[in-house]
Amino acid sequence: DSGVTQTPKHLITATGQRVTLRCSPRSGDLSVYWYQQSLDQGLQFLIQYYNGEERAKGNILERFSAQQFPDLHSELNLSSLELGDSALYFCASSVLDRAGNTIYFGEGSWLTVV
Amino acid sequence: AQKVTQAQTEISVVEKEDVTLDCVYETRDTTYYLFWYKQPPSGELVFLIRRNSFDEQNEISGRYSWNFQKSTSSFNFTITASQVVDSAVYFCALKETSGSRLTFGEGTQLTVNP
Repeated sequence: DSGVTQTPKHLITATGQRVTLRCSPRSGDLSVYWYQQSLDQGLQFLIQYYNGEERAKGNILERFSAQQFPDLHSELNLSSLELGDSALYFCASSVLDRAGNTIYFGEGSWLTVV
Repeated sequence: AQKVTQAQTEISVVEKEDVTLDCVYETRDTTYYLFWYKQPPSGELVFLIRRNSFDEQNEISGRYSWNFQKSTSSFNFTITASQVVDSAVYFCALKETSGSRLTFGEGTQLTVNP
């Protein structure tokens, strides 16, 4: 158990819908990351927050957004969903925002868009 | 730009065999960090090891060992006396000091047969 908690674990939704994925980082971790794992793209970095502020952006679509709240939990919002958004979405956290910090991953949220 | 290559897409061995998973990386940074993660069939990403670029000592942890060679930009992972529970996808990843995101390789699917 990494200490990173993600909900929901599984969800199935229809195209055009909007979903929110929730993440609680490990206790004491200030940095939160979101990654997407799909069959064709592999593991892709989406976005990072550090202590409530956006720190880095990766291959995140404009239809997707995220935020980190004062209690350090984070949410990833996916809207106007398409079939191709079906993937495993990981949240991860690290203590600080330093390259040497280990990033610990949650169990992921399996999203299926039908 | 950074890149991680895991040339072995799939490896199949029989229990108790030793197996080595290859990882080659590219980076312009002189200081960087390398990681291995395990993804069992249940889907979670489990952290295994972190190695700093300035520490080329090999490491052994139980049946696991890692061989870091800066001269060949490789960070290989060996499982000794493999077990069925080792069956998983293994990812090598790189993090540069200029950024905090992980860049993952494509992963190697290891199947250990009884």
